[in-house]
Amino acid sequence: EAEVAQSPRYKITEKSQAVAFWCDPISGHATLYWYRQILGQGPELLVQFQDESVVDDSQLPKDRFSAERLKGVDSTLKIQPAELGDSAMYLCASSIGTGTESTDTQYFGPGTRLTVL
Amino acid sequence: GDSVTQMEGPVTLSEEAFLTINCTYTATGYPSLFWYVQYPGEGLQLLLKATKADDKGSNKGFEATYRKETTSFHLEKGSVQVSDSAVYFCALSDRGSYIPTFGRGTSLIVHP
Repeated sequence: EAEVAQSPRYKITEKSQAVAFWCDPISGHATLYWYRQILGQGPELLVQFQDESVVDDSQLPKDRFSAERLKGVDSTLKIQPAELGDSAMYLCASSIGTGTESTDTQYFGPGTRLTVL
Repeated sequence: GDSVTQMEGPVTLSEEAFLTINCTYTATGYPSLFWYVQYPGEGLQLLLKATKADDKGSNKGFEATYRKETTSFHLEKGSVQVSDSAVYFCALSDRGSYIPTFGRGTSLIVHP
């Protein structure tokens, strides 16, 4: 069964350093999402891509976070510089459709657990 | 705005007990409803979904019915197993705003 791949699974960094996370969605999925999940809470959307275009990045802290999906396939989320409050699980998800259907099911990767010291 | 409210956890049960995890929602439109499960150290997996009123989603012995009149989507299972121990998230996706909204999650602990 096809899965969303993410790497690394765990990342420990010191504050003010740069970190990057990678996501490879299920083949053929046009829509890709990045979420942040703080311990004890549900995921919160950071950015949504439709192919290579950003559809929604209203919740992305753009002073330190950036995301790209250059060829409309895999994606990278970067934080520079990292802050203590960025410690969280970063989840990537993909869906098959246009991203405008409420029935469009999202499939999640295993996540990257970030710890900022 | 849209919101999802789940019962506080943890829910602690003995194996073979009946499970109910309550979920209610607020939405401006006519949302699709989902239950996701997250096992320790892993990402979220879709457990079941329902897209219109009175639909029943089911999977792996879990089921939930879309109740428009009570704006609820409670998760049930007749006989839980130790392997069901995980965090369960209720979510909605509104037709007017397709970005999903998640609840805070309910931790389930099943003892042998």
